[in-house]
Amino acid sequence: DIQMTQSPSTLSASVGDRVTITCRASQSINSWLAWYQQKPGKAPKLLIYKASSLESGVPSRFSGSGSGTEFTLTISSLQPDDFATYYCQQYDTYWTFGQGTKVDIK
Amino acid sequence: EVQLAESGGGLVQPGGSLRVSCAASGFTFSDYWMGWVRQAPGKGLEWVANIKYDGSETYFVDSVKGRFTISRDNADNSLYLQMNSLRAEDTAVYYCVRNEYKGYSDLWGRGTLVTVSS
Repeated sequence: DIQMTQSPSTLSASVGDRVTITCRASQSINSWLAWYQQKPGKAPKLLIYKASSLESGVPSRFSGSGSGTEFTLTISSLQPDDFATYYCQQYDTYWTFGQGTKVDIK
Repeated sequence: EVQLAESGGGLVQPGGSLRVSCAASGFTFSDYWMGWVRQAPGKGLEWVANIKYDGSETYFVDSVKGRFTISRDNADNSLYLQMNSLRAEDTAVYYCVRNEYKGYSDLWGRGTLVTVSS
């Protein structure tokens, strides 16, 4: 089974900060990686697919990069609406989520 | 409007069974792989099961293999998850998801809560 490990588990940041979340796969997944945002009590929302493709309607401050086993999600300038939990998901071999990264207010 | 709406969650005793359903609308249901993702209270997301657009292939996370069944009715735009031999650790919000081919989930329902407890 492919394991996905996100870091950090929690990140404290301020509005306007540049934020980077890392996701590592236990084996190569090429670029078959997605990122989701989840707010409390709500369903997750797709942000990025195929490692770096921005889902329609998602603000351009979100970007993804990486391939193989290491990936990053970057928020170029954190906005109040971005405080949430972020999950990566591999879909190369079956489907596996990372454990999540909570972005909270510093 | 493109949407997914789950139903059928509730309280069930350990060892019991429950079927949750998902009604799809606003898109051609039979063109898409579909699936279920769950989230235990205060925990992260866990993929549970996926089904091919024509129902000919199904996949399950190891922890539910042999206990859960996923099915679909393309004529009725509906997805189902039959859960048998339920355990306390199956307690979670179950989300219905639409998948791009065998890949990422681009549409999520609001979820339905399944509680396994005596």
